[in-house]
Amino acid sequence: GENVEQHPSTLSVQEGDSAVIKCTYSDSASNYFPWYKQELGKRPQLIIDIRSNVGEKKDQRIAVTLNKTAKHFSLHITETQPEDSAVYFCAARANDMRFGAGTRLTVKP
Amino acid sequence: DSGVTQTPKHLITATGQRVTLRCSPRSGDLSVYWYQQSLDQGLQFLIQYYNGEERAKGNILERFSAQQFPDLHSELNLSSLELGDSALYFCASSVVPSGRDYTGELFFGEGSRLTVL
Repeated sequence: GENVEQHPSTLSVQEGDSAVIKCTYSDSASNYFPWYKQELGKRPQLIIDIRSNVGEKKDQRIAVTLNKTAKHFSLHITETQPEDSAVYFCAARANDMRFGAGTRLTVKP
Repeated sequence: DSGVTQTPKHLITATGQRVTLRCSPRSGDLSVYWYQQSLDQGLQFLIQYYNGEERAKGNILERFSAQQFPDLHSELNLSSLELGDSALYFCASSVVPSGRDYTGELFFGEGSRLTVL
């Protein structure tokens, strides 16, 4: 099955800085790559997604890039705010949806 | 509110026991996924059903089983429980079945927190 690796596992930035989280996937059949944000004790919620026929997608301060050749995709958060602090998961869908191990982002005020 | 309902929200039981977790997907969603999230861990894919049939299986133990009923709700059965089974179990649903087309956002329930003592 699909294997998704995510780095870094923890990330600490100052408020206003940018944060980048990277993921790689193994199954070339994967065609959908969502990113989920999970706050403590809550359910994961979709923040942005990208399909395999698109290289980049942006939504306000959040952007995702996809390199199908290299099988990696990244989440970029600009102008980070304390409320961005959470665990972020990348995922890849081939036959099912597999998640990366998560990145705990801390934004220091 | 995602529209996915999971019960119970919390469950405390003893080792060796058996429990059943229930999930009602969003109206119209045919696919149901189960994930296990241990403390400070990622989302481990257990199993997926589509319209009553098993579609994909992940790292699900033989002590665990699941099914999806004609009304599309799903149950995850955990038996011979061990301390290490303590975790948050999430159910998620989506419209588009796996392996088809581009979309398929997962909508997660609030989870069922299982504590095995």
